[in-house]
Amino acid sequence: AQTVTQSQPEMSVQEAETVTLSCTYDTSESDYYLFWYKQPPSRQMILVIRQEAYKQQNATENRFSVNFQKAAKSFSLKISDSQLGDAAMYFCAYRRNSGNTPLVFGKGTRLSVIA
Amino acid sequence: NAGVMQNPRHLVRRRGQEARLRCSPMKGHSHVYWYRQLPEEGLKFMVYLQKENIIDESGMPKERFSAEFPKEGPSILRIQQVVRGDSAAYFCASSQMTGPQPQHFGDGTRLSIL
Repeated sequence: AQTVTQSQPEMSVQEAETVTLSCTYDTSESDYYLFWYKQPPSRQMILVIRQEAYKQQNATENRFSVNFQKAAKSFSLKISDSQLGDAAMYFCAYRRNSGNTPLVFGKGTRLSVIA
Repeated sequence: NAGVMQNPRHLVRRRGQEARLRCSPMKGHSHVYWYRQLPEEGLKFMVYLQKENIIDESGMPKERFSAEFPKEGPSILRIQQVVRGDSAAYFCASSQMTGPQPQHFGDGTRLSIL
């Protein structure tokens, strides 16, 4: 069974600084997707960024980028120029690339942004 | 272009009552997933349905829980004889028919058991 581990229950960052959230996963599959979701206090699940395992190039979305290390099964999220609105729970998720399969989530990292 | 709609947003039930949670997928989406989020936890998969079919219910408790996605109308997650441990946020996500499409989430239903 696939598992996703987020080893940092809480992180904090100063406004305008950079923070990196860690995620590791375990799978025997070679073809899969990885995601970072943001969950603010409103409880919405907002897709931040996704990475296809077959792509070596790290995904980037504006201030958000990932460091995908397939051999190490590591998928960290870097947030640059942190803003107060970035404060939220962040969940790393895995999905096998086989039809419409469910997501496997980590337990999350709570990010606080300090003004 | 409405997103995934879940209702109610918050549902309060007493122990032993039934809870019905509704999910209308995005327009054009025929795949629905239900997830449960316990306090301070990540989302855990419960069940995956297509229209009129349950595809994967490996994450759903064997007793008291059931799900359906009829030909017409929303998907329903039903919990019979609720207990305190059922208190959680229940999220629905939908995706399109083919390929590894991203899942779009609703805002969830918070179920509180008195």
